[in-house]
Amino acid sequence: DAGVTQSPTHLIKTRGQQVTLRCSPKSGHDTVSWYQQALGQGPQFIFQYYEEEERQRGNFPDRFSGHQFPNYSSELNVNALLLGDSALYLCASSNRPSSYNSPLHFGNGTRLTVT
Amino acid sequence: DAKTTQPPSMDCAEGRAANLPCNHSTISGNEYVYWYRQIHSQGPQYIIHGLKNNETNEMASLIITEDRKSSTLILPHATLRDTAVYYCIVRDNTDKLIFGTGTRLQVFP
Repeated sequence: DAGVTQSPTHLIKTRGQQVTLRCSPKSGHDTVSWYQQALGQGPQFIFQYYEEEERQRGNFPDRFSGHQFPNYSSELNVNALLLGDSALYLCASSNRPSSYNSPLHFGNGTRLTVT
Repeated sequence: DAKTTQPPSMDCAEGRAANLPCNHSTISGNEYVYWYRQIHSQGPQYIIHGLKNNETNEMASLIITEDRKSSTLILPHATLRDTAVYYCIVRDNTDKLIFGTGTRLQVFP
């Protein structure tokens, strides 16, 4: 039973470029959330997708956008990259509507470095 | 801001029980206590969660005080592979987990 898978594992981009990160949820899960983890910090919530719509958003600018596909997989897009966007980007999946009694399962992330 | 307070670091001898405390004095009646851990360069790994009763699974036990203002995660026989950052999280009815800085547990031989 595959867990949450993310690609690529590592990525190097230049300031001003755009990047797309991909996530496949755990089998049986239909909800995907994205988190950003800066070095030495805990993960921070970016947004959540369910039924192909953004349902909840954290305190991130519009440069961060996403998409969910009919097969529940998801993409995170970041435009106009800044040096401060360098971080580990984590995808988590869960099963609604059981919500807060249903654990989120995380992937191992994509390490993005912006130079 | 995180609704939990944890010590920044703890040590534990291999084979001994590791008891990780967490304070969550402002927890609401329908919020769950979740524990995750993160080993270097990996994503957070779910450990256990509970509402008000003590819980046990193959990884750990979770003891929640009667007033629900604090909890303790217990790893009964710590191994070197348990060295990680442990996060205690109070979760509402969303997937927005608010992580604090966690407790860095070092298990030594």
